[in-house]
Amino acid sequence: DQQVKQNSPSLSVQEGRISILNCDYTNSMFDYFLWYKKYPAEGPTFLISISSIKDKNEDGRFTVFLNKSAKHLSLHIVPSQPGDSAVYFCAATEIGDKIIFGKGTRLHILP
Amino acid sequence: GAGVSQSPSNKVTEKGKDVELRCDPISGHTALYWYRQSLGQGLEFLIYFQGNSAPDKSGLPSDRFSAERTGGSVSTLTIQRTQQEDSAVYLCASSPGNNSPLHFGNGTRLTVT
Repeated sequence: DQQVKQNSPSLSVQEGRISILNCDYTNSMFDYFLWYKKYPAEGPTFLISISSIKDKNEDGRFTVFLNKSAKHLSLHIVPSQPGDSAVYFCAATEIGDKIIFGKGTRLHILP
Repeated sequence: GAGVSQSPSNKVTEKGKDVELRCDPISGHTALYWYRQSLGQGLEFLIYFQGNSAPDKSGLPSDRFSAERTGGSVSTLTIQRTQQEDSAVYLCASSPGNNSPLHFGNGTRLTVT
């Protein structure tokens, strides 16, 4: 039973436009959420996180939005760049417990 | 400083053989996780350690899988009597503690022939 769901296996976005990656979760006890980026043959690298006490966190071109009532979070990348082409994983945890990842969304940035 | 180191980077083994995968976490990180990624799949949780103890082993697929961590540092994941469905990239990650991001190694690609 998937507790963290990324329903879009892939997404294509024009360079310079906004990329929006979505994630849904089922466990209302989750209180910390993370986004990771993964290139082929490398381990995932941490991008940005958000605590459940916030609804937005911004770091440069990356912004994560959290909607607790809808159990939904999204990652916005603006403007999208060619180097952003990768697989993006959403993850969630309840403090002190294991971190659970979604299946990932492959982002293609088109020239 | 050094990141998370995993060895070997690639392992090809025959069905039925045992394999041992090693993870060296970032120094001082108390939490250590093992995940695996099968072809075209997401990151599947296997087990995590806080210090030397494993509060959650629920992700281990079968009793052929075991893991240990000694001295609060190095961890080994052992797969006994490997099967073809064990073929995957096995990823290790560590973190300083609760609500801290995980730092991943580059993984061990295991191929069971």
